[in-house]
Amino acid sequence: NAGVMQNPRHLVRRRGQEARLRCSPMKGHSHVYWYRQLPEEGLKFMVYLQKENIIDESGMPKERFSAEFPKEGPSILRIQQVVRGDSAAYFCASSPSATGQYFGPGTRLTVT
Amino acid sequence: GIQVEQSPPDLILQEGANSTLRCNFSDSVNNLQWFHQNPWGQLINLFYIPSGTKQNGRLSATTVATERYSLLYISSSQTTDSGVYFCAVDSGANSKLTFGKGITLSVRP
Repeated sequence: NAGVMQNPRHLVRRRGQEARLRCSPMKGHSHVYWYRQLPEEGLKFMVYLQKENIIDESGMPKERFSAEFPKEGPSILRIQQVVRGDSAAYFCASSPSATGQYFGPGTRLTVT
Repeated sequence: GIQVEQSPPDLILQEGANSTLRCNFSDSVNNLQWFHQNPWGQLINLFYIPSGTKQNGRLSATTVATERYSLLYISSSQTTDSGVYFCAVDSGANSKLTFGKGITLSVRP
């Protein structure tokens, strides 16, 4: 059973470009969570999704960030018009239910 | 929201030594997990332990939910144990995890 997969593992974008981060949950997991690890700020929750539904987006910045988890395919975290402050490690986690989350390897975004 | 405090913030050990890492939390929790972030940045699940005691090889963990703390024990430490250890708790309806700031462990050969 493959673990949570994230791609790309490293992503470099210039200021103003768009970043798309993908997450494929573990087989049989219908709950997906995104977290961000900023330098000096630790790991913070961003958004919780189930198939085709955003359940909790209380940790998402109000502008430029969006997330989806379509019926088919991976979950996508999209950042429009990236700025240097978006440089961070973005982790996806999945869960079969509301107990115990398994984390992917992360995507390291660098904005130049 | 719930507060999670980990101590000590940094720990240096000689290979073979034992250690105890602590996590205090400010409210009742549905879930508590311990993670190891290795030097390559990957987050590795160690334990899902909302209460009780679990053991996995040289690692064990105990959560005393009524007193709002959890302990991670590392015995006979190895250099590969180096990295950052995070405690994370879920106290709400949507299972989102709140992380502590982590404990940086360095094991010297």
